[in-house]
Amino acid sequence: RKEVEQDPGPFNVPEGATVAFNCTYSNSASQSFFWYRQDCRKEPKLLMSVYSSGNEDGRFTAQLNRASQYISLLIRDSKLSDSATYLCVVNPSIVGGNNRKLIWGLGTSLAVNP
Amino acid sequence: DAGVIQSPRHEVTEMGQEVTLRCKPISGHNSLFWYRQTMMRGLELLIYFNNNVPIDDSGMPEDRFSAKMPNASFSTLKIQPSEPRDSAVYFCASRGQGGPSFGPGTRLTVL
Repeated sequence: RKEVEQDPGPFNVPEGATVAFNCTYSNSASQSFFWYRQDCRKEPKLLMSVYSSGNEDGRFTAQLNRASQYISLLIRDSKLSDSATYLCVVNPSIVGGNNRKLIWGLGTSLAVNP
Repeated sequence: DAGVIQSPRHEVTEMGQEVTLRCKPISGHNSLFWYRQTMMRGLELLIYFNNNVPIDDSGMPEDRFSAKMPNASFSTLKIQPSEPRDSAVYFCASRGQGGPSFGPGTRLTVL
């Protein structure tokens, strides 16, 4: 099993649709989780950190399910500008540990169509 | 505030030449990462530093690659000699708390 796995893409959705991505991770001790967005020929940019209690930022909601070892990203009322690749990132370090190595998913491509 | 700064933004060189990529992390960030991204392999971690000390270089492809971080505000990634298969986008990222911040990348083409 890969350390971090994401939904296979690409996702093609119409404007206004709700779309959800899942990402599973193998290390149950993982402590930090993030979603990044990468536009074509640009650098990845932090979209959201993922907290145990779940968090929301406008149209975006991120959730963590420790029991099933996955994180999710929900995008509501999708816009054309949401078209990008979404990368799941996991920090498999113990609390207080010094390992800051991050494990990256391969990304899921989203295309929002007019 | 200034983000992660990388130079050059683009580099075209011939096989066998030495290539040096440069990175200035965000001030106060104590971790620095060098990544390589290609269409085929996605984002690969080459090496990362904590407090200027190399922690994990297991992703460095071979001895032709070397990285240094002489101080908290500067790092280099060197490829000597370069080969066509090294062509990729090389990202530097730095991290304090939270997720890392990426520089704009260096697009390297080795002919």
